[in-house]
Amino acid sequence: EIVLTQSPGTLSLSPGERATLSCRASQSVSRNYLAWFQQQPGQAPRLLIYGASSRATGIPDRFSGSGSGTDFTLTISRLEPEDFAMYYCQDYASSRTFGQGTRVEIK
Amino acid sequence: EVQLLESGGGLVQPGGSLRLSCAASGITFSSYAMGWVRQAPGQGLEWISAITGGGGDTWHADSVKGRLTISRDNSQRTLYLQMHSLRAEDTAIYYCAKGSDASRPYYFENWGQGTLVTVS
Repeated sequence: EIVLTQSPGTLSLSPGERATLSCRASQSVSRNYLAWFQQQPGQAPRLLIYGASSRATGIPDRFSGSGSGTDFTLTISRLEPEDFAMYYCQDYASSRTFGQGTRVEIK
Repeated sequence: EVQLLESGGGLVQPGGSLRLSCAASGITFSSYAMGWVRQAPGQGLEWISAITGGGGDTWHADSVKGRLTISRDNSQRTLYLQMHSLRAEDTAIYYCAKGSDASRPYYFENWGQGTLVTVS
């Protein structure tokens, strides 16, 4: 089973800053079938990125995904107030496990 | 617009049973795989179960295998999760999610608002 490790656990930034979130897999993710989700407090998760780098419908272009194999990154180019939330990566190719999450909080 | 509406959650005693439902609208239901993801209080997301669009193939996480069973009724556009032998550690919000395709690989592109199951 692939284990996904997200870092950092918490990212403290100010609005307008750039956020870089990491997701590292214990084995290569098949065909880069890696998704990123955002979750606001009290809400359901929302798909941001699939296939490691494809933005889901309606997702602003300040969100971008990159990486391959075992190392993946979610970048938020300029943080908006609504971007402060939890973020999870998921391998949907095999184990379908989620990473433990990264909290992006207001500094 | 895709809508997924879960129901059936509530308080149940350890060892008890519960059946969750997820009613879908706005989609050709049988064309998409579906799944359940849960989130224990203050914890992260845990994938627990999935089923292909036709219902012929199912998968369950080891943590729930033999106790939780996914199924679907395409004529009713409804997904189910039958839960038996419930434990305190099954306490969580259970989310229904729609896959991007009928079979693997697929990502969960739409999510319901969740239903809370409390085992106590």
